[in-house]
Amino acid sequence: DAKTTQPNSMESNEEEPVHLPCNHSTISGTDYIHWYRQLPSQGPEYVIHGLTSNVNNRMASLAIAEDRKSSTLILHRATLRDAAVYYCILRDFSSGTYKYIFGTGTRLKVLA
Amino acid sequence: EPEVTQTPSHQVTQMGQEVILRCVPISNHLYFYWYRQILGQKVEFLVSFYNNEISEKSEIFDDQFSVERPDGSNFTLKIRSTKLEDSAMYFCASSETNTGELFFGEGSRLTVL
Repeated sequence: DAKTTQPNSMESNEEEPVHLPCNHSTISGTDYIHWYRQLPSQGPEYVIHGLTSNVNNRMASLAIAEDRKSSTLILHRATLRDAAVYYCILRDFSSGTYKYIFGTGTRLKVLA
Repeated sequence: EPEVTQTPSHQVTQMGQEVILRCVPISNHLYFYWYRQILGQKVEFLVSFYNNEISEKSEIFDDQFSVERPDGSNFTLKIRSTKLEDSAMYFCASSETNTGELFFGEGSRLTVL
């Protein structure tokens, strides 16, 4: 699977939008972009995923660059509960492999 | 909302003992995974399972590890002879499709003394 690069940590104020970037310059045409998060002392939790178009769900929005070499997870109004490690993962649907590889992610700190 | 359940939540064992961690994936899911996370480190892929066989495994998943789906609902991870370095949180996950959303359980904490 192609590699992703994320900042180690970010801070945000409560109730403000947060933009979490992910670079994936070696992405292939068959890679889905997945985002997961891990709250303290919990298992990873799915946030959102997309292929080419921007995606919205109740948790977040995913903005994908036109060349797909980067993406941004957008939390519209950060809450204290959003403090977590956020992982950007590429998932190749044509490779025949069956794994999602987690990197070190971005630790988001939300300030009250 | 359907969820992945794992038991036990915490197990303490002596080095060299066998351990079985159990998972009940979401009922209509077809793909099953085990991950582990050593305290303070990243989530590491161990193994994936589909159509009653291992699909892929990492270098961590050596001969001491095995997985099984003994019936239509359970998915187990067995460690035959535990080592101190096996102490970690073990997460089970399942997905409906090969590339879709992964649902994780709350994890089983294994402590090897």
